Parts: sequence; C-alpha cells; structure tokens
Amino acid sequence: GENVEQHPSTLSVQEGDSAVIKCTYSDSASNYFPWYKQELGKRPQLIIDIRSNVGEKKDQRIAVTLNKTAKHFSLHITETQPEDSAVYFCAASLLNNAGNMLTFGGGTRLMVKP
Amino acid sequence: DGGITQSPKYLFRKEGQNVTLSCEQNLNHDAMYWYRQDPGQGLRLIYYSQIVNDFQKGDIAEGYSVSREKKESFPLTVTSAQKNPTAFYLCASSTTMGWSPLHFGNGTRLTVT
Repeated sequence: GENVEQHPSTLSVQEGDSAVIKCTYSDSASNYFPWYKQELGKRPQLIIDIRSNVGEKKDQRIAVTLNKTAKHFSLHITETQPEDSAVYFCAASLLNNAGNMLTFGGGTRLMVKP
Repeated sequence: DGGITQSPKYLFRKEGQNVTLSCEQNLNHDAMYWYRQDPGQGLRLIYYSQIVNDFQKGDIAEGYSVSREKKESFPLTVTSAQKNPTAFYLCASSTTMGWSPLHFGNGTRLTVT
C-alpha cells in the first residue's frame, strides 16, 4: 500500500518568513495530493490540492509543487502570519470512481512567531 | 457544520465496554470513511464504505466494526478487542465521481479508562 512520509515534524518561523513542508510517497500510481490544516482539537480543513497532471498550483500565499519522477511534493507558505500556526498534513491517494482513500503523512506543527 | 455531524464530541468509557460513535452526512456522498488520530500523529484509515451495505477494512481495522445501512449514516463501533482505543476519531465523506476531496466531521474524542 501507499506510504507517505512528511518532514519536518515541527517548524518554527518568524512572522513574514516562508515555510516549506516536504512529503514523499511510495506508490507511483497515486494521482491526488491534498494538504490539510488542522487547528488544535478541530477537524482537518483542505487548504490546497494538486493532481498528477500538473506540477505546481498556487492560491494566494500557498503553493504546492509535485515531482512525480522523484515521488515528492511540497507545501510552500509565503509571508507567514500567526494565524498560519497549526498542524499541516500532506496526503496521497489514487483517486478514481471508487472514492478517495487518503494515506496521510505524520504531520508538521508550524509555529509562526510574531 | 459542513454537512457531516459526529456525536458526541467527547465520550468516556470503561475498559471492556463496546462503544458506538455516530457519523451522519447530508451531502449526498456515496463514500464515507473513519480515521483515527493519535496525539502528534497523522490520520490512519480504519474502515471505508463506497456504497450502502458495503464496506472495506482500512489499515487498522482490528478491534473496530462498522455498518452502512443508510447512505447518510456510517457508525463506528469500538469493541473491547481494540487494545488502545483512546484517540480522536474523524469521520469523512466524498463523492465517488471525479476529483472529490474529503470532507471531515468535527471528530469525537474517545477516552477509555
């Protein structure tokens, strides 16, 4: 089955700096790579996702890049703000008409210091 | 909110008792999922269901059981066979067509003592 590894496990940055979180996956058939943000005690919220037919996607201060050959993808947050502080999870799945069985990475706790 | 309701938010049980966690969705999604989250860790798939009256084991199904008698409902039973049941349980749903992200409920925190 799929295995997703995520690094680093904790990341501390100064407000205004950039943050980068990296994930690798094992199953070359995976074609869908979402990123979720989870605040303490709350449900994960989808912040951005990328499909295997594109290499990069951007949404305001957030971007995700995908390297299918190397089987890794990354989340980039620019101009970080204190409200970006949360746990971020990457995930991978083979998205088809059977559903979306995501395999998650272990999470990165991002702390943005004001 | 968000179309998926999990109840209760907090649940306390004594060791050796079975307990059932509720998950209801009004998004008309065919697929539903149960994930377990331990402190400082990622989410692990327990069970999933792609259609009514059918479900499949995920990566950590031992000690758990589910049913899918209605499209809207996917309850999870944590049995006494589950060795370490204290965790945060998240239910999710999605369509089975096209590119469909997972929508999560607010979770149930189960504590077994």
